[in-house]
Amino acid sequence: AQTVTQSQPEMSVQEAETVTLSCTYDTSESNYYLFWYKQPPSRQMILVIRQEAYKQQNATENRFSVNFQKAAKSFSLKISDSQLGDTAMYFCAFLTGANSKLTFGKGITLSVRP
Amino acid sequence: DAGVTQSPTHLIKTRGQHVTLRCSPISGHKSVSWYQQVLGQGPQFIFQYYEKEERGRGNFPDRFSARQFPNYSSELNVNALLLGDSALYLCASSPTPISGGYTFGSGTRLTVV
Repeated sequence: AQTVTQSQPEMSVQEAETVTLSCTYDTSESNYYLFWYKQPPSRQMILVIRQEAYKQQNATENRFSVNFQKAAKSFSLKISDSQLGDTAMYFCAFLTGANSKLTFGKGITLSVRP
Repeated sequence: DAGVTQSPTHLIKTRGQHVTLRCSPISGHKSVSWYQQVLGQGPQFIFQYYEKEERGRGNFPDRFSARQFPNYSSELNVNALLLGDSALYLCASSPTPISGGYTFGSGTRLTVV
């Protein structure tokens, strides 16, 4: 069974600073995808960044980047130049082709302070 | 382009009642998945449909059922509602089941009293 663990329930960061959100996962599959989703109070789950397991290069999307350590099964999200609009819950998620379902972690509440 | 649309946005039902939730995927997306998100938790997979056939089912009781229509829209039905069914129900669409490019709707908030 696949599991996703987000051990930090909440974090706080000053505006314009950098913050890193941690995620670990467990799977026996070799081909899979990892995602970070953002869920603001509006409830909609918004895709932040995606990483294919077969790619060694870490994905980046503007201010968002990941540190993907396949051997350690670790997938952390770094947010640079934090903005007030980054305040939200962030979920790490995992997908394999075997069952095509997203498995989510419990999420972390990120607060950006002005 | 319209995103994934879900209706209704909010719903209050009484224990024992039946509920139907609806989802319209992004145009061109043939796969629809349903997730249940209890307050303070990550979403849990309920169903996935692709080309009108069930492709996956999560660990939910038979009171939960779903279907996908020829236009790829989908319905989630829950019978004999329990208090524990109170949650945010999210629909996600993607071009195919394993493309990974899931786009979520804003969800239906179901409250069972």
